[in-house]
Amino acid sequence: DSGVTQTPKHLITATGQRVTLRCSPRSGDLSVYWYQQSLDQGLQFLIQYYNGEERAKGNILERFSAQQFPDLHSELNLSSLELGDSALYFCASSVTGGQSTGANVLTFGAGSRLTVL
Amino acid sequence: EDKVVQSPLSLVVHEGDTVTLNCSYEVTNFRSLLWYKQEKKAPTFLFMLTSSGIEKKSGRLSSILDKKELFSILNITATQTGDSAVYLCAVEARDFGNEKLTFGTGTRLTIIP
Repeated sequence: DSGVTQTPKHLITATGQRVTLRCSPRSGDLSVYWYQQSLDQGLQFLIQYYNGEERAKGNILERFSAQQFPDLHSELNLSSLELGDSALYFCASSVTGGQSTGANVLTFGAGSRLTVL
Repeated sequence: EDKVVQSPLSLVVHEGDTVTLNCSYEVTNFRSLLWYKQEKKAPTFLFMLTSSGIEKKSGRLSSILDKKELFSILNITATQTGDSAVYLCAVEARDFGNEKLTFGTGTRLTIIP
């Protein structure tokens, strides 16, 4: 157990629907990252929050949004779902949030597998 | 745009063999390179390298970074079936005051008993 908790583990839904993925970071970590991993694709960075504020944005579609709450858990909202959104969505957390020089080691959750039919 | 390329895409070897996985990168403002192992689900951290030429070692796994030639290798000696996984390379670079992490697509390693 990495300490990063993601729910749900699996989700099957239909095109056009909206889903919410939830992430609780490891205790003490202030930063949360969301990544998408499709079949045969690398980890694609979506968005990062640090202590409740958006810190960096990657290739996140306008149909997707996220937020980090005061208790530091985060939610990723995916709307108007398309078949191509089927993927494994990972949440990761880190202590520093990426402003320290040197590596920012991420701890990943087990992922939420989204299947859009 | 930052780029991380891993090779080979997949590798199948017999138990006991030694393997070398490659990672090359093109990034602006390089900070560090990280290796992760992804088995069934979550990637787990293996190594972080920031300095060129210094080998990091953990048991049968070792890694080295060449900042001049912009690549890193991950070596696994005396492979075991438990080493079967996707190995991900990620490069951290400074981007507008923040550290940005770019992942490669990974090398899928399969160890045959």
